[in-house]
Amino acid sequence: KQEVTQIPAALSVPEGENLVLNCSFTDSAIYNLQWFRQDPGKGLTSLLLIQSSQREQTSGRLNASLDKSSGRSTLYIAASQPGDSATYLCAVCSNTGNQFYFGTGTSLTVIP
Amino acid sequence: DGGITQSPKYLFRKEGQNVTLSCEQNLNHDAMYWYRQDPGQGLRLIYYSQIVNDFQKGDIAEGYSVSREKKESFPLTVTSAQKNPTAFYLCASINWAGPHQPQHFGDGTRLSIL
Repeated sequence: KQEVTQIPAALSVPEGENLVLNCSFTDSAIYNLQWFRQDPGKGLTSLLLIQSSQREQTSGRLNASLDKSSGRSTLYIAASQPGDSATYLCAVCSNTGNQFYFGTGTSLTVIP
Repeated sequence: DGGITQSPKYLFRKEGQNVTLSCEQNLNHDAMYWYRQDPGQGLRLIYYSQIVNDFQKGDIAEGYSVSREKKESFPLTVTSAQKNPTAFYLCASINWAGPHQPQHFGDGTRLSIL
């Protein structure tokens, strides 16, 4: 069964710093990988989706990369802002079925 | 605007009671999902449905039931058999007709035991 791990569990950075969040998965037979943002008490908002054939995707200050062979993805956030404070989750969609496997998330705090 | 509506936002269950969480979507998505989220844990799949009148158990289906009588609706019932129902419940949908579409989520229902 696919297992998804996110490190670190929590991260606190000063405003303006660039940062990297990590996601690893055990089965490289994936359809795609998504990064989500979750604010306290809210649902998940999709940030970036990387297809299995792609290496990276960019949206504004966010850049996500995918190395399928090593089972890793990173989310790079440039010039962090206090509004970026949230929990970030990655989710893998397997090739074997229409299911998604989620990591436990990284809780990010950006200090003004 | 298209989206997923979950209600109620907060729900309290008494011992021995069944409660139903509502999930409605106007995105015209065929597939819908129910997840449970506990502190410090990732989302765990309870049930999913790829099409009307069909659904499959996820990893933690025991103590839960669902129905899918209409494309836009996928209610989840937490039965009295679920001994630890306190959690945040999230409903999601996706359009599998187009390639590589993102999952869309509702704002969740927080269930607690009285």
